[in-house]
Amino acid sequence: QQPVQSPQAVILREGEDAVINCSSSKALYSVHWYRQKHGEAPVFLMILLKGGEQKGHEKISASFNEKKQQSSLYLTASQLSYSGTYFCGTEMENGSEKLVFGKGMKLTVNP
Amino acid sequence: DAGITQSPRHKVTETGTPVTLRCHQTENHRYMYWYRQDPGHGLRLIHYSYGVKDTDKGEVSDGYSVSRSKTEDFLLTLESATSSQTSVYFCASGRRGLNNEQFFGPGTRLTVL
Repeated sequence: QQPVQSPQAVILREGEDAVINCSSSKALYSVHWYRQKHGEAPVFLMILLKGGEQKGHEKISASFNEKKQQSSLYLTASQLSYSGTYFCGTEMENGSEKLVFGKGMKLTVNP
Repeated sequence: DAGITQSPRHKVTETGTPVTLRCHQTENHRYMYWYRQDPGHGLRLIHYSYGVKDTDKGEVSDGYSVSRSKTEDFLLTLESATSSQTSVYFCASGRRGLNNEQFFGPGTRLTVL
């Protein structure tokens, strides 16, 4: 039931782009994205609802493919501040009020 | 930012002892959650609450109990701590709505010897 995130880790240079994928074997109602910096608490980035809506946050955007039960997070022109671990949290179609998080993707952005 | 605090922030205890972690939020959020975070596992839900005295189990609830007697407080109890419960514990709170955002506390690092 835990969603699968890929890749597990990425190293970028500042200004490069990255895509993080999150896939589920179950039908989803929503996908949530969080970022956690080392030693800190996770922080909400955005939510994607069933229906394929794409949302954006600064230079970070995401999409939700309902047919594939997959969400992707797009990091454009990465900045040093984007470094951290990105988690997707999935909410099942029945609106269970709780999230199941993936194992995370560690992003390192170097100068 | 939502006001959510956890206490203690660090704790070292011995196997077999009971441990209680406290989560306090000042945002009047209906929903509260307890997660544990371990390397290679991400965040795993232990228990959650959808109102005062209303709680439900998460994916890794064995060995843990919770209580919520007030909207602002959510307690996590390890009934008899084991070394496998050494972890970082995060509390979160939120409300249902357009964003369903969860606000996380700073975490509690628990070591069971």
